Amino acid sequence: GENVEQHPSTLSVQEGDSAVIKCTYSDSASNYFPWYKQELGKGPQLIIDIRSNVGEKKDQRIAVTLNKTAKHFSLHITETQPEDSAVYFCAATLSGYSTLTFGKGTMLLVSP
Amino acid sequence: NAGVTQTPKFQVLKTGQSMTLQCAQDMNHNSMYWYRQDPGMGLRLIYYSASEGTTDKGEVPNGYNVSRLNKREFSLRLESAAPSQTSVYFCASSLSQGIFVQYFGPGTRLTVT
Repeated sequence: GENVEQHPSTLSVQEGDSAVIKCTYSDSASNYFPWYKQELGKGPQLIIDIRSNVGEKKDQRIAVTLNKTAKHFSLHITETQPEDSAVYFCAATLSGYSTLTFGKGTMLLVSP
Repeated sequence: NAGVTQTPKFQVLKTGQSMTLQCAQDMNHNSMYWYRQDPGMGLRLIYYSASEGTTDKGEVPNGYNVSRLNKREFSLRLESAAPSQTSVYFCASSLSQGIFVQYFGPGTRLTVT
């Protein structure tokens, strides 16, 4: 089955800095890669996703890049703000399957 | 719309007790999921229901049972709770199988002593 590795497990940045979280996946057939944000005491919420026919996708301050050859994808957050502090999860799945395989999460702390 | 709701929010059980975690969604989604979240382990799939009337095992199904009561509701049962089942449990739903967004509930924090 699919295996997703996520790094780093914790990341501390100053407000205004950029943050990058990286994930690698094992199944070269995987073609959908979402990112979820989990705030303290809440359930995860989708923030951005990318499909394998696209190399990069942006939404305001967040972007995701995908390198299919290397089987890795990354979340980029620019101009970080304290409200970006949360746990971020990457995931991967194969089209036609109903289940996501999640990475173990990255705790991002943005200091004012 | 309430989205995905879960009850209870918190529960403490003694080893060997049983309980059912309830989940409901009002988005007319076909697929529903149960995950557990443990520190450093991410989200692990326990069971899922791709559509009403079907259920399948996920990565960590041992010690759990599920029931897809109808399209809206998907319950998770612990027949004989063990301390290893201390965790935060999340229910999620998606429009259907495949690469669709999953919407998560607020979670149930379960402690087994």
